[in-house]
Amino acid sequence: AQSVTQLGSHVSVSEGALVLLRCNYSSSVPPYLFWYVQYPNQGLQLLLKYTSAATLVKGINGFEAEFKKSETSFHLTKPSAHMSDAAEYFCVVSTFSGTYKYIFGTGTRLKVLA
Amino acid sequence: DTGVSQDPRHKITKRGQNVTFRCDPISEHNRLYWYRQTLGQGPEFLTYFQNEAQLEKSRLLSDRFSAERPKGSFSTLEIQRTEQGDSAMYLCASSLASGGLDQPQHFGDGTRLSIL
Repeated sequence: AQSVTQLGSHVSVSEGALVLLRCNYSSSVPPYLFWYVQYPNQGLQLLLKYTSAATLVKGINGFEAEFKKSETSFHLTKPSAHMSDAAEYFCVVSTFSGTYKYIFGTGTRLKVLA
Repeated sequence: DTGVSQDPRHKITKRGQNVTFRCDPISEHNRLYWYRQTLGQGPEFLTYFQNEAQLEKSRLLSDRFSAERPKGSFSTLEIQRTEQGDSAMYLCASSLASGGLDQPQHFGDGTRLSIL
C-alpha cells in the first residue's frame, strides 16, 4: 500500500529564512505526489505536483519540491519565508486501487516568526 | 472556473439530529470526492463518484452516512443520528476523469460540523 510520512508536525522559521518541509513516501510503483496548502478554515490549495516529467518541480508562491527516488523523499522548500506562508501543508500520494483517491500525510503546520 | 463550492460553511447541531451538506464541483469535472478532516489530521477519504455512480465507499462511512450525486453534477452528504464523533470538517473535491493518477483534485472550503 502506498503512504506518505511527514516529519515534523510543527515547523517554525524566521521571516526570510529557508523553509524545508519533509515528506517521505512508500510506494512499490512510481508515485504521483502532490503538495497542498491549507489556510485556517479553508480548503486545500494545490502548490505543486510530481508526475515523473522532472525531478525538480516548481509550484506557486515560490515553493518547489525535489523528487529523490534513492531517498524516497519529496521535500518542499522555499528560499525565503514570508509571513503569509504560515499555514498547514500536506504531502499527498495519488493512488489507484479500483478507484482513484488521495492518501494524505498528517500535515505540517508552518509558523513564520517576525 | 468558479471553483468547488460547499454549503453550508458551518453547521452546529444537537446530537441525534440529521444534517445534509451540499457540494457543487467545477462544472466540467466528472469525479467527485468527499473527505473528512479532524483537528490536527490530514483529510481521510470517505467516498468517490464518477458522474452519478458512487464507485467507492470507505469503511469510515458508516450506515448513518449516505452520499448522492443524482445527476452527475452536485452531490449531497447526509449524516443521520449525528454523534459527537462526527464533529469534523467535511471536504469535497473534484477532478477531471480524463486524466489518471496525475490529475489534481480541486477542493472546496469545506463544511465544519459541530455536534453539541
